[in-house]
Amino acid sequence: GQQLNQSPQSMFIQEGEDVSMNCTSSSIFNTWLWYKQDPGEGPVLLIALYKAGELTSNGRLTAQFGITRKDSFLNISASIPSDVGIYFCAGQQGGSQGNLIFGKGTKLSVKP
Amino acid sequence: KAGVTQTPRYLIKTRGQQVTLSCSPISGHRSVSWYQQTPGQGLQFLFEYFSETQRNKGNFPGRFSGRQFSNSRSEMNVSTLELGDSALYLCASSLTRRGETQYFGPGTRLLVL
Repeated sequence: GQQLNQSPQSMFIQEGEDVSMNCTSSSIFNTWLWYKQDPGEGPVLLIALYKAGELTSNGRLTAQFGITRKDSFLNISASIPSDVGIYFCAGQQGGSQGNLIFGKGTKLSVKP
Repeated sequence: KAGVTQTPRYLIKTRGQQVTLSCSPISGHRSVSWYQQTPGQGLQFLFEYFSETQRNKGNFPGRFSGRQFSNSRSEMNVSTLELGDSALYLCASSLTRRGETQYFGPGTRLLVL
């Protein structure tokens, strides 16, 4: 099925460092979502973006909806050990296609 | 407000058997979507139900089916299980189906032997 290009696939960083990951697509999306998934659990919504150019923050997390509507990025500032997990971007095209299309995920490891 | 709940959390079946998974959406949410997550393919959309009708379907064989009840609870069924059906099956609910944020349940881990 259709998927988003999410990068990087994995990151190993030191506690306190900032993190940046992004998703790109050849298709236009009306909504971009960022989720975090811990082992054995379902994805938990971090940030939802509904408008091109929108920049939204949730604590140490900041995400942007690209102007072209074909990309989005997520930044995590001053990482802490509990940020460890897999981060997924998801796009929704809207209309009759209400389903989410997911990136393959970015696995984040944080060294204390 | 309680989140999305899925039962059972874990399931072991053998090839050829069938399985039914259940999902209760967040109270007031009327749209339920199902996704399959595997290490190789990632998260892939199965189908979406709204007002007891399937509104959207992903690229999965007919062995995968579902339904939604009048209280918005949903079930998905997989018949004639294959080894490749081993996966985490996730259910997500949203208020309606037009651009609303989807919230996920913890998933059902299915292992087919």
